[in-house]
Amino acid sequence: EAQVTQNPRYLITVTGKKLTVTCSQNMNHEYMSWYRQDPGLGLRQIYYSMNVEVTDKGDVPEGYKVSRKEKRNFPLILESPSPNQTSLYFCASMGGSTDTQYFGPGTRLTVL
Amino acid sequence: RKEVEQDPGPFNVPEGATVAFNCTYSNSASQSFFWYRQDCRKEPKLLMSVYSSGNEDGRFTAQLNRASQYISLLIRDSKLSDSATYLCVVNIWYSSASKIIFGSGTRLSIRP
Repeated sequence: EAQVTQNPRYLITVTGKKLTVTCSQNMNHEYMSWYRQDPGLGLRQIYYSMNVEVTDKGDVPEGYKVSRKEKRNFPLILESPSPNQTSLYFCASMGGSTDTQYFGPGTRLTVL
Repeated sequence: RKEVEQDPGPFNVPEGATVAFNCTYSNSASQSFFWYRQDCRKEPKLLMSVYSSGNEDGRFTAQLNRASQYISLLIRDSKLSDSATYLCVVNIWYSSASKIIFGSGTRLSIRP
């Protein structure tokens, strides 16, 4: 089954404790992306990757890092999380002949 | 001014009604357009792509007006299961970068 998976689905952590949210897709898509969704602000793009070893900033990259060492994985790293990074995070992939994005199930992060 | 603007709603309509949403975008270089549906606390899923010629999928019709820079979604004979948030998405592709912009969503609630 074609899918995008994210882990963990829920995470409560404390300020400053480094964390990684994993994202994996099995559709051989070249494009992958991370978003955060906050009430009233919609989905905002954090980082995206157009292919292996190619990443670029989205609209809200501050406080986040990503890497794309292989096509299927695109982890999101918070080196020193802060409470303003409490949000719902979605990973997405896109590829083939359309611009359709396929989203993971989301990761709800709370930073205390 | 937001790059993609939607009326946040909520739209509260009776079952069987016809409901229409509009979404405006500010960047004339925008190239592809979509409507996504998002159920509460779930990931967004593609509802339909939007073309200048208009496209229809069952009870759903989407239209793009490039001159006025807006896209629309029409839902006919609405069902209870149509209750969701509808997200307008605009993609802009550059030679080595991309920008994907989500509207903040329009909430639709269908009542029996």
